Amino acid sequence: AQSVTQLDSQVPVFEEAPVELRCNYSSSVSVYLFWYVQYPNQGLQLLLKYLSGSTLVKGINGFEAEFNKSQTSFHLRKPSVHISDTAEYFCAVSPLMTGGFKTIFGAGTRLFVKA
Amino acid sequence: DGGITQSPKYLFRKEGQNVTLSCEQNLNHDAMYWYRQDPGQGLRLIYYSQIVNDFQKGDIAEGYSVSREKKESFPLTVTSAQKNPTAFYLCASSIMGQSNQPQHFGDGTRLSIL
Repeated sequence: AQSVTQLDSQVPVFEEAPVELRCNYSSSVSVYLFWYVQYPNQGLQLLLKYLSGSTLVKGINGFEAEFNKSQTSFHLRKPSVHISDTAEYFCAVSPLMTGGFKTIFGAGTRLFVKA
Repeated sequence: DGGITQSPKYLFRKEGQNVTLSCEQNLNHDAMYWYRQDPGQGLRLIYYSQIVNDFQKGDIAEGYSVSREKKESFPLTVTSAQKNPTAFYLCASSIMGQSNQPQHFGDGTRLSIL
């Protein structure tokens, strides 16, 4: 079985400051890893994904994430946030060879960027 | 542009009433999903479908039903048996059989009880 833990439910940060949103996962099999962003009253949009290769993955809107296999983590970072980054962020894992039907989402981290 | 359209955006249900949420996609995806989102709980899978005329229960299927008569359409019915239906419902689709592909989401339907 798989599980995803997003370690912070809310992260307040000032504009132009760096931010890290933490995600740990547990799985008995290899997984693909995703980060999605959800703006108010909208669906989820893909920010980035880790499939294989380089452990540092760059996504849209200046976000990046680093896969750490030994710590089973996939933390999301941005060096300088904007007001428009205020949203909820979801980490998700999808076990290999399951066709995507076993994707597990974390509970979400609400990022609040203050002026 | 290709995408997923969910309607209505807001829906109100009376006691004992069944309501149907619409989901249409023009991405030519075979796989479609319904999720329920509650505050602080992330997304929970209700049903998914891999091909037309076939669908499987997810983790919280009780009180819900679906159909998949066309590739583009995957409506969800919230029945009167679902005692706590107030939530945000998200429809998604993906390329079938590839767990390395992301899911594409609609903008959701918010269901409330009158």
